[in-house]
Amino acid sequence: GAGVSQTPSNKVTEKGKYVELRCDPISGHTALYWYRQSLGQGPEFLIYFQGTGAADDSGLPNDRFFAVRPEGSVSTLKIQRTERGDSAVYLCASSLGSSGTDTQYFGPGTRLTVL
Amino acid sequence: AQSVTQLGSHVSVSEGALVLLRCNYSSSVPPYLFWYVQYPNQGLQLLLKYTTGATLVKGINGFEAEFKKSETSFHLTKPSAHMSDAAEYFCAVSFFTGGGNKLTFGTGTQLKVEL
Repeated sequence: GAGVSQTPSNKVTEKGKYVELRCDPISGHTALYWYRQSLGQGPEFLIYFQGTGAADDSGLPNDRFFAVRPEGSVSTLKIQRTERGDSAVYLCASSLGSSGTDTQYFGPGTRLTVL
Repeated sequence: AQSVTQLGSHVSVSEGALVLLRCNYSSSVPPYLFWYVQYPNQGLQLLLKYTTGATLVKGINGFEAEFKKSETSFHLTKPSAHMSDAAEYFCAVSFFTGGGNKLTFGTGTQLKVEL
């Protein structure tokens, strides 16, 4: 079946611009996670959705970052006034439920480059 | 806060040799432990996970890992390396608190397999 998909695969923008990154989870998965992976590092947690609500947004670095999941399926990560330090690969993962035994399935990521 | 340490950012082995990738974690409560593999331009793929029960966990592609609480370790092994095992490997930990299963990753180990 279809896995987690993310669009675009690559995004190049200029400092100060606004960007949106999209994640399509596996159908039926109620939990959705966003992570950010900087060069040479492991992924870092940003935000977690259970259904439509953001249950844990403790990883968002500042108020320029925001994410939504209005219908409990597709999610969009929004970054305002982008900075060069935002350049990274943004990963989305989904899981059937949100227990510790539920496997997270990752998408291929969106590579964001801020010039 | 939990953390994960992967010793050796780069590991090189000969084809057919033993693969050993090290992972140590810090935790004050029992963790859930994961190994993910990342091939170039692909998403993270789960190799194996430990949640409860048997401490020796078998995963895909012939990999296995053993949870050793006394050593706070979860090292990944494979008896005989194959060229197709060349990839980046990430160890991750989570602590299910009823509010999602956010993962904390190590910085990764790049595995090179030589003829």
